[in-house]
Amino acid sequence: DAKTTQPNSMESNEEEPVHLPCNHSTISGTDYIHWYRQLPSQGPEYVIHGLTSNVNNRMASLAIAEDRKSSTLILHRATLRDAAVYYCILRRGTGGFKTIFGAGTRLFVKA
Amino acid sequence: GAGVSQSPSNKVTEKGKDVELRCDPISGHTALYWYRQSLGQGLEFLIYFQGNSAPDKSGLPSDRFSAERTGGSVSTLTIQRTQQEDSAVYLCASTPSTALPGELFFGEGSRLTVL
Repeated sequence: DAKTTQPNSMESNEEEPVHLPCNHSTISGTDYIHWYRQLPSQGPEYVIHGLTSNVNNRMASLAIAEDRKSSTLILHRATLRDAAVYYCILRRGTGGFKTIFGAGTRLFVKA
Repeated sequence: GAGVSQSPSNKVTEKGKDVELRCDPISGHTALYWYRQSLGQGLEFLIYFQGNSAPDKSGLPSDRFSAERTGGSVSTLTIQRTQQEDSAVYLCASTPSTALPGELFFGEGSRLTVL
């Protein structure tokens, strides 16, 4: 199964942009890159996903490297409510598949 | 409800007892996952169901753990002869299709404490 690696933790100031990196050097051509976040005492929630092109939605942006071996989740203006654990995972586009989560990045946001 | 529902939300049991955890996925979702999350850790994959196919049980940590999914909907995770190291939050997720890897929808989890 393809794996992802992320920094254990990151810190940001409120109202500033945050760039959360993820490496997935063993990604295959059919793997989609997904990001989820987990707020304290809650189940993870979907943030964004992409395949090759950069993606934007109301929550965040996803920048994907040209070789697809890394990606960056961008929160344009961090708020205290964005303090969470962020998981970058790969989900295969064809056939049955299990989905493996790593340890994620714990984001701390300072007021 | 519209989301993934898990019950019980909290379960305290004594070592050696059996427990059952239930997951009601979103209606129409064909794929269902179970994960375990120990305190301060990431999500550990346990088992995956897709439609009528044989489940992928490769993440189950021991033969004390089993899961079934009846009628392609509700799933039950059973832990026999619980041990203290089984204490964790057990999360269930469902997704609508395998044609495209759509987003995973998670429940709030079942917190298991084994005394």
